[in-house]
Amino acid sequence: GAVVSQHPSWVICKSGTSVKIECRSLDFQATTMFWYRQFPKQSLMLMATSNEGSKATYEQGVEKDKFLINHASLTLSTLTVTSAHPEDSSFYICSATGMDTQMNTIYFGEGSWLTVV
Amino acid sequence: DAKTTQPTSMDCAEGRAANLPCNHSTISGNEYVYWYRQIHSQGPQYIIHGLKNNETNEMASLIITEDRKSSTLILPHATLRDTAVYYCIVRVAGSARQLTFGSGTQLTVLP
Repeated sequence: GAVVSQHPSWVICKSGTSVKIECRSLDFQATTMFWYRQFPKQSLMLMATSNEGSKATYEQGVEKDKFLINHASLTLSTLTVTSAHPEDSSFYICSATGMDTQMNTIYFGEGSWLTVV
Repeated sequence: DAKTTQPTSMDCAEGRAANLPCNHSTISGNEYVYWYRQIHSQGPQYIIHGLKNNETNEMASLIITEDRKSSTLILPHATLRDTAVYYCIVRVAGSARQLTFGSGTQLTVLP
């Protein structure tokens, strides 16, 4: 299957600082990328959908000014958590799909653990 | 996208076939059935998908009933590394729509 890579795998940051997570499609052009958040023992919750070159569409209740998403190329999307607080600590997962993935199958990155102290 | 119903948890003996059921009684004609799994602390892994015919790949088999209202994912020879949460999701293929995750089934493969 297609490969999606996230970086960093885990990050610890101080409260009030910003942190950026990268998501790359390694062997296909990702026209659409999705960002999810997952709290312990819960399912994945969609945060936003981004299409290459367009502004991201955020799910209800997700602050677009806090979770900045950039999808400037067909292989890279970034999620920046601004002014992070301890309640933002979570597992963040990106996924991607494109015309050259089988029937627009969605593939996921490995996830990024964020801990805000 | 249609909702799915899965058992909360299942156990399976190592080496045996694991059969994971999924109900999707409101599935539409253009919706595919997708299966993903999530091993603890990792991103979800794509397993297989199908429309109405049974599908098989190197990981699993997918059996979809004739009325398409339910399906079963079969892991033919479960190993300890197959312990994970398995998600059954229905989605219109060929679109850029997101996957909506339910609670999934926690499969525990026992030695």
